[in-house]
Amino acid sequence: ILNVEQSPQSLHVQEGDSTNFTCSFPSSNFYALHWYRWETAKSPEALFVMTLNGDEKKKGRISATLNTKEGYSYLYIKGSQPEDSATYLCAFETGANNLFFGTGTRLTVIP
Amino acid sequence: KAGVTQTPRYLIKTRGQQVTLSCSPISGHRSVSWYQQTPGQGLQFLFEYFSETQRNKGNFPGRFSGRQFSNSRSEMNVSTLELGDSALYLCASSQEAGGTFPGTEAFFGQGTRLTVV
Repeated sequence: ILNVEQSPQSLHVQEGDSTNFTCSFPSSNFYALHWYRWETAKSPEALFVMTLNGDEKKKGRISATLNTKEGYSYLYIKGSQPEDSATYLCAFETGANNLFFGTGTRLTVIP
Repeated sequence: KAGVTQTPRYLIKTRGQQVTLSCSPISGHRSVSWYQQTPGQGLQFLFEYFSETQRNKGNFPGRFSGRQFSNSRSEMNVSTLELGDSALYLCASSQEAGGTFPGTEAFFGQGTRLTVV
């Protein structure tokens, strides 16, 4: 069983603050790293998929970076808004397309 | 394009019973994977089906089984339910089988919440 760790477990920020979370994963047998946003009572929604060391992806105020050599990815949210409140999951993909998920970072943005 | 549909959304069963959950993937997707989420745990991989064949299986007891039909719809069955089987079960669909194209996006359904009493 592969170990994918996310930190922090939960986070409360004020509206307008910028924040970031970490996902740590094994540095061997790497295929891809996925980030998902999961709002309560909805489906997990794919944010980014990154496959190459040094990849940086951006979607609006959210961006992510990838370091496969040291086994970590950062997710950044700039100017947090209440609608960003969700659980952010990362998943490490191996060759068999098993996605090994972390337990997530629960973000609450306080208006 | 319709998303991934899981039925039922909620289910209450008694210990010892069996249950079948259903997942209809996005049209054109041939891979369906199943995951279990229990409180405090990340999503745990159960199994993946592609073109009616199980390609991968996670570390779950044999009471957990699944199948996939020719239209790519998949069912998951849990026999002899235990209290610890209470969880949210999610399925995800992808266009390609695992490992074919690294980084293939997986689309999730809303899940079935199973409560075993």
